[in-house]
Amino acid sequence: QVQLVQSGAEVKKPGASVKVSCKASGYTFANYYIHWVRQAPGQGLEWMGRINPNSGGTNYAQNFQGRVTMTWDTSIGTAYMELNGLRSDDTVLYYCARTGTTRGTYYFDYWGQGTLVTVSS
Amino acid sequence: EIVLTQSPGTLSLSPGERATLSCRASQSVNNNYLAWYQQKPGQAPRLLIYGASSRATGIPDRFSGSGSGTDFTLTISRLEPEDFAVYYCQQYGSSPWTFGQGTKVEIK
Repeated sequence: QVQLVQSGAEVKKPGASVKVSCKASGYTFANYYIHWVRQAPGQGLEWMGRINPNSGGTNYAQNFQGRVTMTWDTSIGTAYMELNGLRSDDTVLYYCARTGTTRGTYYFDYWGQGTLVTVSS
Repeated sequence: EIVLTQSPGTLSLSPGERATLSCRASQSVNNNYLAWYQQKPGQAPRLLIYGASSRATGIPDRFSGSGSGTDFTLTISRLEPEDFAVYYCQQYGSSPWTFGQGTKVEIK
């Protein structure tokens, strides 16, 4: 069955970087985009960007341009999201999620379990 | 970017009642590429509806989606105890992908 399993919770200091992983299984990794979505406690969902594991192409939300980098390793079916210059308001839950690669399939059909990143001095 | 506004913010209903949730877009959603998700505390969102009206795999038929253009609706025909949760709409017709702020369906 399709699964996206994320790395564990992180605690970082302001200004540091964090790298979260998302390991995919149960499907052909290169055939689906991996997106990153974040959620502040008790708040809504915010799309951060996506990566195409087939080409490596990325598309980032404007709010995160210059601060986020999404990468992948097809050999181990894993996607990564690195966020730099951490601030206190980056203390949120980060999800990876899968979509298809054609416009009509850009809905999130499978999600990781979430990774809590805490930014604190 | 397309802003999605959900209403009401909270819906207080009893099991067995009908729930009607609204999602309004600031501009027309391309090809009605609108999805609905359910989220329970401590869990990731779960896909319910895509393409405005198509149920995802394994979703009970008490969940239905409708609408087009800028106005969309999620209807739960008869609420089951496990349906009390937060529901989000999301558009994927144009980048950036955007979500509504959510509607909480709570037990009355």
